[in-house]
Amino acid sequence: AQTVTQSQPEMSVQEAETVTLSCTYDTSENNYYLFWYKQPPSRQMILVIRQEAYKQQNATENRFSVNFQKAAKSFSLKISDSQLGDTAMYFCAFSMNYGGSQGNLIFGKGTKLSVKP
Amino acid sequence: EPEVTQTPSHQVTQMGQEVILRCVPISNHLYFYWYRQILGQKVEFLVSFYNNEISEKSEIFDDQFSVERPDGSNFTLKIRSTKLEDSAMYFCASSALGPNSYEQYFGPGTRLTVT
Repeated sequence: AQTVTQSQPEMSVQEAETVTLSCTYDTSENNYYLFWYKQPPSRQMILVIRQEAYKQQNATENRFSVNFQKAAKSFSLKISDSQLGDTAMYFCAFSMNYGGSQGNLIFGKGTKLSVKP
Repeated sequence: EPEVTQTPSHQVTQMGQEVILRCVPISNHLYFYWYRQILGQKVEFLVSFYNNEISEKSEIFDDQFSVERPDGSNFTLKIRSTKLEDSAMYFCASSALGPNSYEQYFGPGTRLTVT
């Protein structure tokens, strides 16, 4: 069975600074997706960034980037130029890649990020 | 921009009562999911649904739960006899077929409170 571990329950960062959230996962599979979801106080789940396991290049989306280390089963999220609106719960998630379609998401426990002015 | 909608936003029910949580997925999506999040805990997968049948379910999804797509637009989760421990936020999600099927779009959630 796959598991996702986020070892940082809470983190804080000053506005405009950079912060890195950690995530490790365990799987014996080779073909899968990894995701970071953001959950602001409204509790809506919003996809921040995704990574296909077969791609060596780290995904980037504007101020968000990942450091994907497949051999180490590590998938960290870097937020550059942090903004007050980045304050939220961040969940790392895993899903199987069934030849282009996706299995269910397995989430970590989340990291609560506070961006301070 | 199309979005997943869920109703009601908050449901309060008494223990032992039946509840139906409703979701309207994005119109051209074909995969549907229910997840739940007990307050302060991680989001947990309940069930996935494709082609009018359950494709996968977790151990949480026992006989008191059922899902249905009654009319081609709604996707419902029924809890037959609610327990206190069913109190949680329930999220519906949907995804498309094809190359973008990796992305599950989540609804805003229904907060279920069982008293």
